[in-house]
Amino acid sequence: QVQLVESGGGVVQPGGSLRLSCAASGFTFSSYGMHWVRQAPGKGLEWVAFIRYDGSNKYYADSVKGRFTISRDNSKNTLYLQMNSLRAEDTAVYYCAKDCAPVSLYYYYMDVWGKGTTVTVSS
Amino acid sequence: DIVMTQSPDSLAVSLGERATINCKSSQSVLYSSNNKNYLAWYQQKPGQPPKLLIYWASTRESGVPDRFSGSGSGTDFTLTISSLQAEDVAVYYCQQYYSTHTPSPLTFGQGTKVEIK
Repeated sequence: QVQLVESGGGVVQPGGSLRLSCAASGFTFSSYGMHWVRQAPGKGLEWVAFIRYDGSNKYYADSVKGRFTISRDNSKNTLYLQMNSLRAEDTAVYYCAKDCAPVSLYYYYMDVWGKGTTVTVSS
Repeated sequence: DIVMTQSPDSLAVSLGERATINCKSSQSVLYSSNNKNYLAWYQQKPGQPPKLLIYWASTRESGVPDRFSGSGSGTDFTLTISSLQAEDVAVYYCQQYYSTHTPSPLTFGQGTKVEIK
């Protein structure tokens, strides 16, 4: 079945770095754009970043632009989020999610979500 | 960025009764080239990731019970649960993806918590 499994979360000090991974299975990973979405404790959903199916284009929320980098390795069916210069407000559960449209230049809605990995930024 | 505003923030409905959640966008999410509304709804139960319910404003995702329905166009949308069941207790979010044409950030509503009265 279609599955997304995030890993790499943890506790990090302000200003530190962390790399999240998302292992995909059950679908042709290289054909779909992928998203990262986060949820701060007790808060709503915030879209973080998107990468096209072939990695050719990437888009970011203003809140993470210049600090976070989304990437993918289609040979390993894995999505990544490199997070640098972390701040307390980056504390959240980070979900990876599959975009609905195959081989698309655009991003739409998310039809499959992972269970998430927790990032805590604290001294 | 397109701002999504849901109302109410929470509602309590008796089992078997109708629940209605509204979502308003700060600009139209109806794309004239294909006459589609770029609006999705998600359900998030406690401790779980979000689950897609509705896309293109009114198309139900496969496997979603038919008591869930979406309607609306332009800037005003509604998610209706026709007969609330205990398993429907959750937070519901709308999301616009019209911004793909700009491109600009995808945005979600703040969420509506549905409880049993």
